[in-house]
Amino acid sequence: AQSVTQLDSQVPVFEEAPVELRCNYSSSVSVYLFWYVQYPNQGLQLLLKYLSGSTLVKGINGFEAEFNKSQTSFHLRKPSVHISDTAEYFCAVSAPGGFKTIFGAGTRLFVKA
Amino acid sequence: EAGVTQFPSHSVIEKGQTVTLRCDPISGHDNLYWYRRVMGKEIKFLLHFVKESKQDESGMPNNRFLAERTGGTYSTLKVQPAELEDSGVYFCASSQEVGQMSPLHFGNGTRLTVT
Repeated sequence: AQSVTQLDSQVPVFEEAPVELRCNYSSSVSVYLFWYVQYPNQGLQLLLKYLSGSTLVKGINGFEAEFNKSQTSFHLRKPSVHISDTAEYFCAVSAPGGFKTIFGAGTRLFVKA
Repeated sequence: EAGVTQFPSHSVIEKGQTVTLRCDPISGHDNLYWYRRVMGKEIKFLLHFVKESKQDESGMPNNRFLAERTGGTYSTLKVQPAELEDSGVYFCASSQEVGQMSPLHFGNGTRLTVT
């Protein structure tokens, strides 16, 4: 079975500052990893995914994440955030052959002017 | 293409009443999932349909919850009778390919409040 821990429930940051949203996972098998974003009053949408290959994956809106197998982490980063990045971000994990995606509790990113 | 749509967007009912949530997946998506988020906690898996068949319903909380997907198109999730702890946001998602490499396309969710 897989599980996901998002270490920060809320992250306030000033506009144009860098940000890192942390995610750790637990799994006894190889995994697929995802970050989803939820803007207010909308559904979740895919930000980026790691399936295999390069451990650094780039997503939409300038976000990127790095898969670290030894630390079982998949932290999300952006070098310079915008007000419009204010949203809730969810880390998720699934496994080959499995049929469900497991989500973390989410991290609320607040970008302040 | 039209996205995943859910109806209603909000529902407020009293304890003991019945509520039915509906989800229309993206056309052609055989995989349909129901998730629930309670009180800002993690988004929890409820069940997964492949076409009209239930592939995995291990996340269904109890027998007050009944999901159907007749004809393999839209799905309904009925809660009967509703309890206070059923309050939360119910998300529906769909994906095209079988297996978990394929990302999920989510609807905007139904916010259910049981009073």
